[in-house]
Amino acid sequence: EVQLVESGGGLVQPGGSLRLSCAASGFIFSGPYMHWVRQAPGKGLEWVGRIRNKANGYTTEYAASVKGRFTISRDDSKNSLYLQMNSLKTEDTAVYYCGRENYYVDVWGKGTTVTVSS
Amino acid sequence: DIVMTQSPDSLAVSLGERATINCKSSQSVLSTSNNQNYLVWYQQKQGQPPKLLIYWASTRDSGVPDRFSGSGSGTDFTLTISSLQAEDVAVYYCQQYYSSPRTFGQGTKVEIK
Repeated sequence: EVQLVESGGGLVQPGGSLRLSCAASGFIFSGPYMHWVRQAPGKGLEWVGRIRNKANGYTTEYAASVKGRFTISRDDSKNSLYLQMNSLKTEDTAVYYCGRENYYVDVWGKGTTVTVSS
Repeated sequence: DIVMTQSPDSLAVSLGERATINCKSSQSVLSTSNNQNYLVWYQQKQGQPPKLLIYWASTRDSGVPDRFSGSGSGTDFTLTISSLQAEDVAVYYCQQYYSSPRTFGQGTKVEIK
């Protein structure tokens, strides 16, 4: 069964850092590009960014709202995707989902909740 | 950035009736190289992650009931639920995957009248 499981969410103070993980199983993780998407409480979906595969240099793209603060990485040997979040703001409070790309995101994790509050 | 605008923001439809959601992109998401529209529809039920419904604007994902259909090309797209069922209560999002950033519409909430 194809599965993505996010972890690492929690409560963090403004200005702090947090690292989210996404564990993949049921498919060859090294192939697809991978995405992070977030959803603030009661709001819609917001694309955070994506990372390409090794053949495409593990290059990344980010939404303007997180560029320079968030970093997406992956460890194909561990079938894992990561989201390093620095300089967190209250507006980063959201459920964070990872997703597998097949041109579009076709598989989603259940999400992990990040709360940025003092 | 491509701006995606959905209408309406919410709609209430009687069981068995048709529900229609529109999605408009600020620029075309039709690729001239493969003649495909880079437009996807997701369904999100309360407390759940999004679920893929339709990709390439009109291709239903495996297991999606045939009462769901997608249409449109270029900048104007429609998701139609031909006969609304109770389990279709959800928020529906369109998203373009033509270019980065991969923008979503604001969502349309579908309820039972």
